[in-house]
Parts: sequence; C-alpha cells; structure tokens
Amino acid sequence: QVRLVESGGNMVQPGGSLRLSCSASGFTFSNYGMHWVRQAPGKGLEWVAFIRYDGGSKSYADSVNGRFTISRDSSKNTLYLQMSSLKTEDTAVYYCARGYGYFQHWGLGTLVSVSS
Amino acid sequence: VLTQSPGTLSLSPGERATLSCRASESVSSSYLTWYQQRPGQAPRLLIYSTSSRATGIPDRFSGSGSETEFTLTISRLEPEDFAVYYCQQYDSSPLYTFGQGTKLEIK
Repeated sequence: QVRLVESGGNMVQPGGSLRLSCSASGFTFSNYGMHWVRQAPGKGLEWVAFIRYDGGSKSYADSVNGRFTISRDSSKNTLYLQMSSLKTEDTAVYYCARGYGYFQHWGLGTLVSVSS
Repeated sequence: VLTQSPGTLSLSPGERATLSCRASESVSSSYLTWYQQRPGQAPRLLIYSTSSRATGIPDRFSGSGSETEFTLTISRLEPEDFAVYYCQQYDSSPLYTFGQGTKLEIK
C-alpha cells in the first residue's frame, strides 16, 4: 500500500533554514506528482508546493514562493522541501501528499516550529 | 476563495449532516474535493470530483453541487464521523485552495 513518511521537522529560529524529507513506498514514485501541504496549530490546511512526476515543473503558494524549494530524488523515492528565511508563521505540521487535482494519499506529517 | 458553513455543526449520532462549501468563482466539478480530519490524524480523502467516493469510504457519505455551491452529506452519523471536514478546489494556475473547515461535533 501507499506509504509516505515525513521527517526533518524541528525547532528553528526565525531566519533559519530546514530541509524536510518524505520517503515514499508502495507505488512507483517516479510516475506521480507530489505535494507539500501544511497546517498551523489549530488552523486549517494550506497547500505549499507541487512538483511534477519528472521534476520538470514546480509550483508554490505565494506565501512561500522564493523561500521554499521543492525537489525530488526518484532514485531514493524521496521528496524534499528546502525551507529558508523561515518566519514564525511557517510554524506548522508539514504533510507530503500524492495526487493531481486533489490529495489522494497523505503522510502523517512532521512538525516545524519557528521561534526565537 | 472557498467558504464553508457552518463553522461548527452540533448533531447527534444517527442524525443527518449537511455541510456547505461555497466558491467565490465557478469551480470545475472535476476538481471539488472533500476531506475528513480526525483529531491528531492526517486528513483523509472522502469525496473527489464533487460526488465520487474514495476507496473504502462508506456510502453514507455523499457529495453534490456545481459551479459555486457544493454540499457534503452524511446520511446517518456514526460516532467516528465527528471530525473536521474540509473542501478543496484546484485550478489550472496550478493552485490548490482549501476551505476553512467545518467542525462536526457531538451534541
């Protein structure tokens, strides 16, 4: 079955950087577009970024554009999110998800806390 | 923008729940989706393309609507249905937008 496992969440100071990973299994990773979606504590869901199945196209929410970079390594079946210039409002659980048009499969999430 | 109503819905097990999702502009029915999120869990896909149930979703869940008005209906509430529900749309920007959620709580 499809399994997505995020890692890399941590506490970081404002202005800092962090890289999240999402390990995928149970499907042919190189055939699917992938996303990052986040949820601030007690708040709703916010789409963050998308990468096409071949890495040839990437899209970002306005709130992270220019600060976050999504990438993938199909040889490792792993999705990444490089986050820089972090702000307190980036504090959230970050989920990786598979799908196009909607999010069919979700990981359990990893917590990023941005605080001084 | 997607606006969900009500913000909180208080009902009893066995009752019928009707959740609304209103879009500020017309949405392709192919790209209106509903998710369920239980406390401490990741969201789960319920309904895609307005009215198609995802794998393993009971038939008490149904979706309907078009253009700017969409509805998720739960015909007879079970204890495990009390959760937060989100609608979501996709357009060709590409852009994915969620509603703010409806909390379904036990009365």
